[in-house]
Amino acid sequence: ETGVTQTPRHLVMGMTNKKSLKCEQHLGHNAMYWYKQSAKKPLELMFVYNFKEQTENNSVPSRFSPECPNSSHLFLHLHTLQPEDSALYLCASSQALGVNSGNTIYFGEGSWLTVV
Amino acid sequence: DAKTTQPNSMESNEEEPVHLPCNHSTISGTDYIHWYRQLPSQGPEYVIHGLTSNVNNRMASLAIAEDRKSSTLILHRATLRDAAVYYCILTRNQGGKLIFGQGTELSVKP
Repeated sequence: ETGVTQTPRHLVMGMTNKKSLKCEQHLGHNAMYWYKQSAKKPLELMFVYNFKEQTENNSVPSRFSPECPNSSHLFLHLHTLQPEDSALYLCASSQALGVNSGNTIYFGEGSWLTVV
Repeated sequence: DAKTTQPNSMESNEEEPVHLPCNHSTISGTDYIHWYRQLPSQGPEYVIHGLTSNVNNRMASLAIAEDRKSSTLILHRATLRDAAVYYCILTRNQGGKLIFGQGTELSVKP
């Protein structure tokens, strides 16, 4: 238990569906992140939020829409996805933005997404 | 962020020490060396980090070369639960992003 909880753990959706992934952290952190991990590929950083404000979007297609209503919650809204978007989506949080001395990033267990 | 090079895979026997190498010849003076690992079907977890001096914690030890161009993660007694992908990552001191490479897949044999 890392203090970062992701739901659902598994999601199957059609290409025309709209769904959302939810992340909640109980660590009192101020920064939150979305990563994507496709099969046999390294983790890719998608979005970064700091104090609810988006600070980074790594050229992610608009069919992925993040939302951060407060420092404890992060959502990833999914719409009109493609089969190649099937992957493990990982949420993470840290006390301060980025990683430096004493600042550790904590990951959730991930949400396995399958687009059919 | 500076690049790291790790072997794709390594094998170890249970209860033996494991030395996981990482080369980072382009490291800058403010780059920290972080190690994370990812167990099967889980998110990555923090293992250890350091700047210049060797570091020890309950999970592992980190040995950093004097010129900082390489480092070694040491698991003192490997267990089956240590089978995972181990990532060596360099970050800048302020606002450094955690960018993952391919890592080293460690398998542990009973």
